[in-house]
Order: sequence, then C-alpha cells, then structure tokens
Amino acid sequence: DAKTTQPPSMDCAEGRAANLPCNHSTISGNEYVYWYRQIHSQGPQYIIHGLKNNETNEMASLIITEDRKSSTLILPHATLRDTAVYYCIVRVEDNQGGKLIFGQGTELSVKP
Amino acid sequence: KAGVTQTPRYLIKTRGQQVTLSCSPISGHRSVSWYQQTPGQGLQFLFEYFSETQRNKGNFPGRFSGRQFSNSRSEMNVSTLELGDSALYLCASRRAPSLSHRADTQYFGPGTRLTVL
Repeated sequence: DAKTTQPPSMDCAEGRAANLPCNHSTISGNEYVYWYRQIHSQGPQYIIHGLKNNETNEMASLIITEDRKSSTLILPHATLRDTAVYYCIVRVEDNQGGKLIFGQGTELSVKP
Repeated sequence: KAGVTQTPRYLIKTRGQQVTLSCSPISGHRSVSWYQQTPGQGLQFLFEYFSETQRNKGNFPGRFSGRQFSNSRSEMNVSTLELGDSALYLCASRRAPSLSHRADTQYFGPGTRLTVL
C-alpha cells in the first residue's frame, strides 16, 4: 500500500504558485520522498526528491517538515503545461534496493 | 542522452494470446523496472531486473514474467491474456538498485498501451 496521502484534485491560476501537499506520517528515517508527474497517460516524469532538507531544482521546490510527516511540492509559476497528475511517493526500502509505491496522486488543473 | 524507449507503443491482442513488450534503458543504467497502470488500480509495480536477475517482485500472477539481457535491455511477457490485462505498461530505468539507501532516481519510458479484446 502507498504510504502517502494526497488531495485528489486541485486548481491553480496560470502564473501563480501551485502548492501540492502530501502526508507521509509513517515514513521511516531512511526513506526518501519523490515527486513525479504524469501528463495524458504518458510515462511519469521525475520532478524532485528529498530526504529531510528542502530541495530546489529548475522545475520545482520541495519543502519537507522537520518531523518529515508531510511535504509540499511548489511549482513557482504554474503554466497550462503543468496540468497533470502529481504523485508523491515514499520510496520503500528493502533488502533488494527499494521500490516506488504509487498512490492515486493529485490531479492539478492550471487554468487561464 | 536518449531516454528510456519502449516498443511497441500500441498493441491489440485477443484473450488467451501471449505478448512480449520490450524496454531499452538509458545508456549506463543497469536496472529496469516494470509497472502496470490501469484506471482502477493505478500504477502498480511488477518487477525489477538488475544484472540479468530479478531483484524485486510485486503481487502479480505467474502469467507475468520478464527477463533482462546482458546489454540491460529488458522484455516482459504476459501469457494467456485476460481482458483485465488491458493497461499501460511502463518501464523505468535507474543506474542500479540502491543497496546503501542512497537515492537513485528512476526514469520512465512512454509506455506500451496494450488492449486485450
């Protein structure tokens, strides 16, 4: 079972910041949080990942709370092309090197 | 650098047939994972191969199998197809399974859309 909980859908105005929340209250100390997005049933696209520090790259920022029980993905200036399903994933570690367990994701609609 | 490629992109089969899907990972990536995506179940992990060996397996019946070749390319096979096997099959590659718990990002291909009639 997925270890994350996300709202099923969100709207955002074009040009505004999109803040996508994720709860992962059962996360273990060595488990990473990953974010992917999927557009029109294409393959999921990697966005960003983190362990406990905030992370930023050219696509987004990831804010992880100090207790690591939740995180927020921030798209600073959303465009229409950011409309997609966003998946927050806790990578489950096992003795085989870990695997991604996807939840249902958040469907983000960016509107003009 | 070229991304993950999957062939064919679309496939139509009938119940009872078998199918083989192919995945070529990103150059230098030695691990390949397979996922099934359906509207009802979402994205589900099938299995992962590394160094021609299955390293990890999800909860799917034995009709779903795979293999990996020495050049890291991978195939998955589904035998005795059922209507419920209609799905988008996704392949993802990464450098290697992260035995040291170091993050190692998976990159996905475009998928193969399988329709079973």
